[in-house]
Amino acid sequence: IAGITQAPTSQILAAGRRMTLRCTQDMRHNAMYWYRQDLGLGLRLIHYSNTAGTTGKGEVPDGYSVSRANTDDFPLTLASAVPSQTSVYFCASSDDGGTGTDTQYFGPGTRLTVL
Amino acid sequence: GQNIDQPTEMTATEGAIVQINCTYQTSGFNGLFWYQQHAGEAPTFLSYNVLDGLEEKGRFSSFLSRSKGYSYLLLKELQMKDSASYLCAVRDSNYQLIWGAGTKLIIKP
Repeated sequence: IAGITQAPTSQILAAGRRMTLRCTQDMRHNAMYWYRQDLGLGLRLIHYSNTAGTTGKGEVPDGYSVSRANTDDFPLTLASAVPSQTSVYFCASSDDGGTGTDTQYFGPGTRLTVL
Repeated sequence: GQNIDQPTEMTATEGAIVQINCTYQTSGFNGLFWYQQHAGEAPTFLSYNVLDGLEEKGRFSSFLSRSKGYSYLLLKELQMKDSASYLCAVRDSNYQLIWGAGTKLIIKP
């Protein structure tokens, strides 16, 4: 079934540890995104990639890094996790990278708790 | 700054009609999206407006007025499965989506 997968589903992490959240899509979409969702706040963009080989910073990039080696994968890395990074993380993809309708489709999310 | 405002929570009765409003102030406008998000799940796309007017899609309709910075999502013949959060998002001049905090809709029998 086509779509976006994320791993892990949930994770409890000690502060200071390094963590990579995985995201894979099989829709051959050009653009991919990482958001965090916190209670009472809208989705906030962390990083994005309009096409393989390029990445950009979103609204809240500090403490996070991404790479886009190929079309399908877009991992998000927390180099040294802090409790304020406790959140639900959603990966999304869209077809034409910012023009036209460019509807974003979301993965199931990763619930991350940093203690 | 950029801002999307929606009511935090609304309650409606099964079978009735509900209108969820969204007002926005953004740097540029390149379309407005509505998404549905059930608790513990991912957002799913509902509708897209880029021109003024009403877009109808089954029981759901979405309206846009760009001059007023205003949109609404209209849900008819409410069903219990419509209990969810509804997210309004505007694509700005940088083609990034700016998201509202969402409106939690509670449907009562």
